[in-house]
Parts: sequence; structure tokens; C-alpha cells
Amino acid sequence: GAGVSQSPRYKVAKRGQDVALRCDPISGHVSLFWYQQALGQGPEFLTYFQNEAQLDKSGLPSDRFFAERPEGSVSTLKIQRTQQEDSAVYLCASSSIPGQGETQYFGPGTRLLVL
Amino acid sequence: RKEVEQDPGPFNVPEGATVAFNCTYSNSASQSFFWYRQDCRKEPKLLMSVYSSGNEDGRFTAQLNRASQYISLLIRDSKLSDSATYLCVVKYSGNTPLVFGKGTRLSVIA
Repeated sequence: GAGVSQSPRYKVAKRGQDVALRCDPISGHVSLFWYQQALGQGPEFLTYFQNEAQLDKSGLPSDRFFAERPEGSVSTLKIQRTQQEDSAVYLCASSSIPGQGETQYFGPGTRLLVL
Repeated sequence: RKEVEQDPGPFNVPEGATVAFNCTYSNSASQSFFWYRQDCRKEPKLLMSVYSSGNEDGRFTAQLNRASQYISLLIRDSKLSDSATYLCVVKYSGNTPLVFGKGTRLSVIA
């Protein structure tokens, strides 16, 4: 079946611009996660949704980062007033199991470059 | 100090070699441990869980040493297709996020 999809796959933004990154999880998956992966680093947790509820946003680096999942399916990660340090791959993952378990299926990521 | 530390490598090994990676974690409250694999410019995928008694999956063996707070991954009879970055992952108890290391890069050479 279809896996996790993300769009756009690549995004170039000018510093100060707002961006919106989309994640389509595997159909029926209740748990959804966002990670940020900088070059040469492992993924770092940003936020977690169970259905439409954002249960953990402890990893969001600043109030410029905002995520939503209004209908418990598709999720959007929004970054306002982008900075160069926001350049990274943004990975979305989903799981059929409620909670932050280890069996997470990752999407291909959105590669963001802020100039 | 990072919570999960790995030697970034790269480890360059010939086909057929045995290679081992170690990973150390700083938080003794860590409960669960995993190895993920990430191919170049691809998403991470769960390779295997790591159990206290050690566990094996084909050519891959994972070990956990709670007293010393380290985890290892051993790959026997390396294949070209094993070339990837191997991410060490720990999880605390409860509804807490996965914590990833930086990864160790492996290149298997013909």
C-alpha cells in the first residue's frame, strides 16, 4: 500500500519567508510525528499527534514553528519567518499504534534550504 | 553532551568483512533501544530492536549492556547493500519521543 508521503520534496525559501510542509500519513495511522534532520545529524523530534490532538510539542525549537492535524489525517508543519538555521530535512512519520513507539514509518522528507 | 553518542565513521570495509558499531547513551532511565538504517538521501527505517539478552537477525546481531550504557550492532559477511548510515535510537519509559544518535556511516567496498 501507499506509504507516508510528503510535499514538497524540496523547498528553497528566502530568509524571512513563511513555509508550509505537508505530510500525508499512511491511511488509518493514529500517530503522527515530525522530525528535523540537519546535515550530518540524526533526526530530532519536533512534535507528536494522536489523531488531531497535539500531545507533545516539546521539540519545537521556537514559536516560529507550528504544526497542525485538524482532521486527524493530513498534517502541516509551518515555519514562520524562516532563518538559515532552519535549513534541514523535515521528516514525517506515522504509526498505527497510539503513543510514541518505535515502529514509525517515515516519509521521504522535505528538504528545506533557507537562503 | 549528546544523549546518544555514536562514532560517525565512515567505516570502510571490504565485502565479507565483519564490522561492529557501538553507541553510548547518557540517561540511565532509557528503557528501549533500537537500530535504524538510513540510506543516502532516504528516510530512516527500523532495522531491529535491541534486547537485554542480545538478539540476532540473520547477519545482524545487537547487544545491550545496561551497566555500561552501551549498545552494539555487529554485521557479519558484509554486503555492498549494507552501505548506509546506522542510527542508534533510545527511548525512555512512557509516552516520550525516540532519541536518535547522529549515525555511523558504513561503506562496504567490492
